[in-house]
Amino acid sequence: NAGVIQTPRHKVTGKGQEATLWCEPISGHSAVFWYRQTIVQGLEFLTYFRNQAPIDDSGMPKERFSAQMPNQSHSTLKIQSTQPQDSAVYLCASSLRGVQDTQYFGPGTRLLVL
Amino acid sequence: AQKVTQTQTSISVVEKTTVTMDCVYETRDSSYFLFWYKQTASGEIVFLIRQDSYKKENATVGHYSLNFQKPKSSIGLIITATQIEDSAVYFCAMREVITGNTGKLIFGLGTTLQVQP
Repeated sequence: NAGVIQTPRHKVTGKGQEATLWCEPISGHSAVFWYRQTIVQGLEFLTYFRNQAPIDDSGMPKERFSAQMPNQSHSTLKIQSTQPQDSAVYLCASSLRGVQDTQYFGPGTRLLVL
Repeated sequence: AQKVTQTQTSISVVEKTTVTMDCVYETRDSSYFLFWYKQTASGEIVFLIRQDSYKKENATVGHYSLNFQKPKSSIGLIITATQIEDSAVYFCAMREVITGNTGKLIFGLGTTLQVQP
């Protein structure tokens, strides 16, 4: 069984450019989560979809960050006008349903903004 | 406020011994889930074991077990018969069960385990 798939694994952008990160959840999982990992802040929650609907985006920076889940097989995290402080590992996780289920993580996308 | 604290920054043990990693959490919820994950050198985050707050029995999976002390808001991870490949960063995480359908995990900052031959 394939785990959570994230592409690209590494991305380098220039300051001000746009970055789009992709996530394919485990087949049959209806909940998708995005997290960000930095040395300083550790692992931080960004946003959560269940059955493709946005449920909680309380961790998303209000400007420049957006996430979508257009179908059950993929979700995207888009960062507009990237800044050096956006450099981090962006992790996607999925779970079977919602609150009570274990989340399984993808390998992450390492974003470097120069 | 929701918070997960791992006070041990790093631990070094000799292989085949037992190690315990500490984790304390803060929550106002009466029901919650606790998880341990490990992050390998490649960056992969792997689920290890979980404890549901309403369960009194400590969870055990393979050579991982938990020491759940609910009155102390503590969930320790015990690894028995450690192996070199257990060297990793271990994260404790909590998910609360509250109205609002939030499913987010709140993570501690991690404990680096080094297993020496």
